[in-house]
Amino acid sequence: GENVEQHPSTLSVQEGDSAVIKCTYSDSASNYFPWYKQELGKRPQLIIDIRSNVGEKKDQRIAVTLNKTAKHFSLHITETQPEDSAVYFCAASRGAGSYQLTFGKGTKLSVIP
Amino acid sequence: DVKVTQSSRYLVKRTGEKVFLECVQDMDHENMFWYRQDPGLGLRLIYFSYDVKMKEKGDIPEGYSVSREKKERFSLILESASTNQTSMYLCASSLRGRGGVWASYEQYFGPGTRLTVT
Repeated sequence: GENVEQHPSTLSVQEGDSAVIKCTYSDSASNYFPWYKQELGKRPQLIIDIRSNVGEKKDQRIAVTLNKTAKHFSLHITETQPEDSAVYFCAASRGAGSYQLTFGKGTKLSVIP
Repeated sequence: DVKVTQSSRYLVKRTGEKVFLECVQDMDHENMFWYRQDPGLGLRLIYFSYDVKMKEKGDIPEGYSVSREKKERFSLILESASTNQTSMYLCASSLRGRGGVWASYEQYFGPGTRLTVT
């Protein structure tokens, strides 16, 4: 089955710096890659997603890049703010046309004021 | 605005008890999911349902069963609770849409139920 590896598991950055979280997936048929943010004590919420027919997607300070050949995708957060502190999960669809996702183990991002 | 609710935020049960976790969504989503969240292990899929009375096993179905009698409601059942089932349980729902190769859509999560089995 699909395997999603996520790195790093923890990340600390100074406020205003950039943060990058990387994920690799194993199933070359995966075609949907969402990123979820989970603040402490709250539910995971989608912050950005990308489909395999696109190489990059941006939404204000957040961007995701996808390299299908290498089977990896990354989340980039620029100009980090304290409210960006949370656990971030990447995920990949279980093949094309699957409603199910396989999640990475998560990255705890701390933004230091 | 999608709303996914779960019956309890916190639950304490004894070993061997039968436990029911309820999830309700109000957006007419066809797909519903139960996940288990443990520190350092991320979100692991227990069961998935794509329609009323339809279900598929996820990655860790052992010790669990599910019920979906109505479209908006998806129940997770621990037949005989054990201490290793102490965890955070998250329910989610998503659209089914038209299917096909681009079938995956955003999953909306409930607030979670923190279950402690003693």
